[in-house]
Amino acid sequence: EAGVAQSPRYKIIEKRQSVAFWCNPISGHATLYWYQQILGQGPKLLIQFQNNGVVDDSQLPKDRFSAERLKGVDSTLKIQPAKLEDSAVYLCASSLDQGSPLHFGNGTRLTVT
Amino acid sequence: AQSVTQLGSHVSVSEGALVLLRCNYSSSVPPYLFWYVQYPNQGLQLLLKYTTGATLVKGINGFEAEFKKSETSFHLTKPSAHMSDAAEYFCAVMGGKLIFGTGTRLQVFP
Repeated sequence: EAGVAQSPRYKIIEKRQSVAFWCNPISGHATLYWYQQILGQGPKLLIQFQNNGVVDDSQLPKDRFSAERLKGVDSTLKIQPAKLEDSAVYLCASSLDQGSPLHFGNGTRLTVT
Repeated sequence: AQSVTQLGSHVSVSEGALVLLRCNYSSSVPPYLFWYVQYPNQGLQLLLKYTTGATLVKGINGFEAEFKKSETSFHLTKPSAHMSDAAEYFCAVMGGKLIFGTGTRLQVFP
């Protein structure tokens, strides 16, 4: 089966600019996750979708981060405006349902200068 | 609330030696526990998982982990390290969401 697809793989922006990441989950997976992985740390959940509804966004900095999952398939994560501390790898993952193992994409490495 | 603690941010072994990566968890309910591996510039790949039943869990690439409730541990082992095992390893616990430890970087020397 095709894995979780993410784009772009790398992005470099200046602080205060905006950026968007895209994720296409595995076909049939109802649950989609966005994780932030700062260098030297474990991934931290930003937002979890079940189909096109938000299950958990408690750690999403909502003043600058937004995410949507239109039609319950693809998802986009946006940062506006970006800060230096947003430099990280943004991982998208999907699972058949909540509680099933997660399948991860290769991530988008964001550098904010 | 659930959490995991990985002891040792770096572990170095010789090729052919035993690999032991330590993970302790905290959970108010029976935990679902996972080990993931991350190779450079890649996403995370599931190595193995414990949900219920047998406490010794076997995973891919010769890895296994044992759930010990009395010690609140879920250590990852492999009898004989291979150069290709060099990577970052993450322990994780599933409550309402998957919570990761800070990771252990495994180096394998020839």
